[in-house]
Amino acid sequence: EAGVAQSPRYKIIEKRQSVAFWCNPISGHATLYWYQQILGQGPKLLIQFQNNGVVDDSQLPKDRFSAERLKGVDSTLKIQPAKLEDSAVYLCASSLSAGAGANVLTFGAGSRLTVL
Amino acid sequence: GQNIDQPTEMTATEGAIVQINCTYQTSGFNGLFWYQQHAGEAPTFLSYNVLDGLEEKGRFSSFLSRSKGYSYLLLKELQMKDSASYLCAVLFSGGYNKLIFGAGTRLAVHP
Repeated sequence: EAGVAQSPRYKIIEKRQSVAFWCNPISGHATLYWYQQILGQGPKLLIQFQNNGVVDDSQLPKDRFSAERLKGVDSTLKIQPAKLEDSAVYLCASSLSAGAGANVLTFGAGSRLTVL
Repeated sequence: GQNIDQPTEMTATEGAIVQINCTYQTSGFNGLFWYQQHAGEAPTFLSYNVLDGLEEKGRFSSFLSRSKGYSYLLLKELQMKDSASYLCAVLFSGGYNKLIFGAGTRLAVHP
């Protein structure tokens, strides 16, 4: 079974620039998550999709962050404009929404963002 | 709130046993997960508890007490490769399930 794919793995930008991250979840996983993990901290949930609908984006800084999941499969997370405090690893994860294994998240390798 | 508390760092000796504790707010609780995260890598699933008691899986065991809002991860026969961060994560329900992570416990295993 292929895992969760993310790209790019690394990105360095200057503040006020924009960046986009892409995620392809495990086939058949209806739920997709974007987490932000700042160095030394646990992952913080930014947005959660069920198929192509948003079920939680309460922690997403909506003035600069946006995310979409067209057709209920791939997802993109965009930051525009970036701030220094956005430097973090952006983790995409997916899970089944029902049955055995529901809510067990499988994570991608992450996209490490450095904002200078 | 959905506070999840776990110690920041622990150290242990190879071959020993270590217990990592986690406490959480019980309102909306719908399950507890432990994940392992090696430096620079993504978290990987270790265990899931939804009922009270001990779940054993090889060298790793996880315990849950729902009434106390308490869990622990027990690692036996420690190996150097167990040096990693251990993340306690709680599934909260409220119309949909939402997984919230603690800050993680960084475990260093030394010879």
